[in-house]
Order: sequence, then C-alpha cells, then structure tokens
Amino acid sequence: KAGVTQTPRYLIKTRGQQVTLSCSPISGHRSVSWYQQTPGQGLQFLFEYFSETQRNKGNFPGRFSGRQFSNSRSEMNVSTLELGDSALYLCASSTAGLESADTQYFGPGTRLTVL
Amino acid sequence: GQSLEQPSEVTAVEGAIVQINCTYQTSGFYGLSWYQQHDGGAPTFLSYNALDGLEETGRFSSFLSRSDSYGYLLLQELQMKDSASYFCAAGGSQGNLIFGKGTKLSVKP
Repeated sequence: KAGVTQTPRYLIKTRGQQVTLSCSPISGHRSVSWYQQTPGQGLQFLFEYFSETQRNKGNFPGRFSGRQFSNSRSEMNVSTLELGDSALYLCASSTAGLESADTQYFGPGTRLTVL
Repeated sequence: GQSLEQPSEVTAVEGAIVQINCTYQTSGFYGLSWYQQHDGGAPTFLSYNALDGLEETGRFSSFLSRSDSYGYLLLQELQMKDSASYFCAAGGSQGNLIFGKGTKLSVKP
C-alpha cells in the first residue's frame, strides 16, 4: 500500500496570507489527524477528521481549520498567517482513529515558512 | 493540564542498552505510544502499551505503569541507525493524542 502523502512538501508564505495543505491517507483509512511540529513546542495535535466529520480539536486558534472529503483526503487551512505559524505540519492516518488508540501512520510533512 | 515529560537528550554507545523514561499527566488516559523520528523524516510508530507491563518488539521494549503514570522505552543492542528522536504520546478520553517534546538519542561508535 502507498503511504500517507502530503502536498506541497515545502511552502513559503508572507504574513497575512492564507495557506492550504493537503493530505492523502493510506487507502482504507478513514481517520486523518493533523499536527504542528516546532522545535520549541514539539508535536501538537491540531484536529482529527473521521468520515468527513471533525471529531476532535486541539488548542489552536480558529485561524486553523480543516476538512475531509468523501475519499478521506483532508485539507488543512491556515488563514492570516503569523510568523509563529512557521512549522512542520504533519498529518497521520489510521483505520479507526485516535479514540480507538489506533496506530497513526504519518506523512512526510509540509514545511511551512512564514516571512 | 495534560503533559508528558521525557529527557531532552540521551547519549549511548553502539551495542549498549538505553532507557528513555516518560511520565504523563493526562485526563482519561488510555494508553502510551512511542514514535521514532529521524532528522527530516516522519514519525514512525514503535510500540503501544494499553495495560501495565512490558511489550517487546525485537530490540525495542516498552513498559507502562498506570499507577505511577510512568512508562519507558528500552532500546537494546544499539545501532548507529537508532540515532533519532523518540516521542512518547498519550491518548486520552478526549480523543486527542498528546506528545512529549521528544528525546534526542545519539549513538556513538
């Protein structure tokens, strides 16, 4: 099976812009969760989608949003970018999701730089 | 709040054994996972403990004590390729996954 893929791999934006990141899960996986990774804060949970519904959300401002499509592909959107949003954004997919303690399979991430 | 504490760095030599500890404070805790991440790579799943005790997977073992809110990852017969960051992660009843800040393991020849 193909692994989790994320596009784009690298992105440079300026403050105030918005960005959309994409994640394609492993075939058959219905859960996609998103994480922000920074050197200072480590890996932080953003949200999880399961069968097109947001199931859980981490402690991030409303500028961070997402959605999931019927084919389980997911997008994450960040509006009004701030310098502090520079990070590696990782998505992970699983069969049953976080509530079932299912193993998370991570994608390679999108490296976002905000100038 | 919810948090996991683990050492920031550990150094060991090839062939040795190293233990990476993790203490947690989460609401509705239901299990502890371990992930490995090489520089520039994605986290990959290593092990999961839902119950107290030891889980062994090849050279890696993981332990959990719910009463102590404590777990560890044990790496045996260390190899240079084991140099990476290791994260413990706790799942909670809120349906989220909280990660520790990671332990950078450096394996020296």
